[in-house]
Amino acid sequence: GQSLEQPSEVTAVEGAIVQINCTYQTSGFYGLSWYQQHDGGAPTFLSYNGLDGLEETGRFSSFLSRSDSYGYLLLQELQMKDSASYFCAAVIYNQGGKLIFGQGTELSVKP
Amino acid sequence: GAGVSQSPSNKVTEKGKDVELRCDPISGHTALYWYRQSLGQGLEFLIYFQGNSAPDKSGLPSDRFSAERTGGSVSTLTIQRTQQEDSAVYLCASSLEAGYNSPLHFGNGTRLTVT
Repeated sequence: GQSLEQPSEVTAVEGAIVQINCTYQTSGFYGLSWYQQHDGGAPTFLSYNGLDGLEETGRFSSFLSRSDSYGYLLLQELQMKDSASYFCAAVIYNQGGKLIFGQGTELSVKP
Repeated sequence: GAGVSQSPSNKVTEKGKDVELRCDPISGHTALYWYRQSLGQGLEFLIYFQGNSAPDKSGLPSDRFSAERTGGSVSTLTIQRTQQEDSAVYLCASSLEAGYNSPLHFGNGTRLTVT
């Protein structure tokens, strides 16, 4: 089957750094995406890793290791507005950009 | 439009009734996806369209679910004879093309409650 595992919840304080891990077991894996979803809102795209290594976008970075079937999202200089759910999603080869999503990690940022 | 638009935003229906959910993608986006999200859960893939054709319907839970897209734009997801387990938020997304590095842009969803 297709599955992605990520922690259900993470708590951190403002200004800190937090890492959200994602391991996957998917056939036809092509790349890993990350999406953010605030309570009651639409998921929004954060990053995509098509190759192994680190991608950096401002305070957010994402990493992929294909050999370990593993990736992570790193959030630096945490702000209260970063409190949200974060989903990793596997892009499946030859299926039109279809994404298989993990169950999501709820991040709570405390003052 | 500026973003993906879904209607209605909320729908309450009685068990056994049919419902239609509408998605208006971003203008110029050729790929359109339907997902379902139950409370506190991840997003479950239902179906995607490239233009007006649906190469992958593998996620539709049963034959009570169907979807169509016309004119390469608006899509409708229809659920016949609704059941209580159909209650969820139905999310639509579009992307510029059905490609591997083409981010999905999601609408705010339709919250469906079957009583």
